[in-house]
Amino acid sequence: KNQVEQSPQSLIILEGKNCTLQCNYTVSPFSNLRWYKQDTGRGPVSLTIMTFSENTKSNGRYTATLDADTKQSSLHITASQLSDSASYICVVRSNYGQNFVFGPGTRLSVLP
Amino acid sequence: DGGITQSPKYLFRKEGQNVTLSCEQNLNHDAMYWYRQDPGQGLRLIYYSQIVNDFQKGDIAEGYSVSREKKESFPLTVTSAQKNPTAFYLCASSIGTSGSNEQFFGPGTRLTVL
Repeated sequence: KNQVEQSPQSLIILEGKNCTLQCNYTVSPFSNLRWYKQDTGRGPVSLTIMTFSENTKSNGRYTATLDADTKQSSLHITASQLSDSASYICVVRSNYGQNFVFGPGTRLSVLP
Repeated sequence: DGGITQSPKYLFRKEGQNVTLSCEQNLNHDAMYWYRQDPGQGLRLIYYSQIVNDFQKGDIAEGYSVSREKKESFPLTVTSAQKNPTAFYLCASSIGTSGSNEQFFGPGTRLTVL
């Protein structure tokens, strides 16, 4: 069964600190993996997309990694800001049909 | 100002009533999607449409219906047959259905059944 798991479920950090969010998936055949940021009560916004051949991709203070062999991805946030408080969702796309498999998200709270 | 809009932001419904959620996009995207989001769960696909006058069931289509009469619009009707309709509903669109195409999401509609 195609699944995406994320950890931790929630995370609290102080402003200025770094953090890493994890995503494990069993989706096959793999097409790509996206990380989205979702503010409370809003729609998700794409941060990065990773394809099979990519290991690392950065978008400002966000850096995503992908290990296609172990089917794991991580999202590293550097020098966190209060505006980083949101849910971060990992989405894996299968090559088969319209199969987007969404993870449950990690809820990040950045405190002053 | 391009984007995808949903209305209303909040919606309350009595049991046994049908209700329609609006989704409009001016991005000239061919594909549109409806998802349902529940606490602690990933988004689940209700319906999607790859082109005008065509749509396909997603993973949880029972109790829902859609139409795609115009490229810009993809309304979702939550019928009385949906047993647990209280949820956050998200509409999305993409240029096409290729794997690399990014989905752009609307701001969502929170439906509460009283």
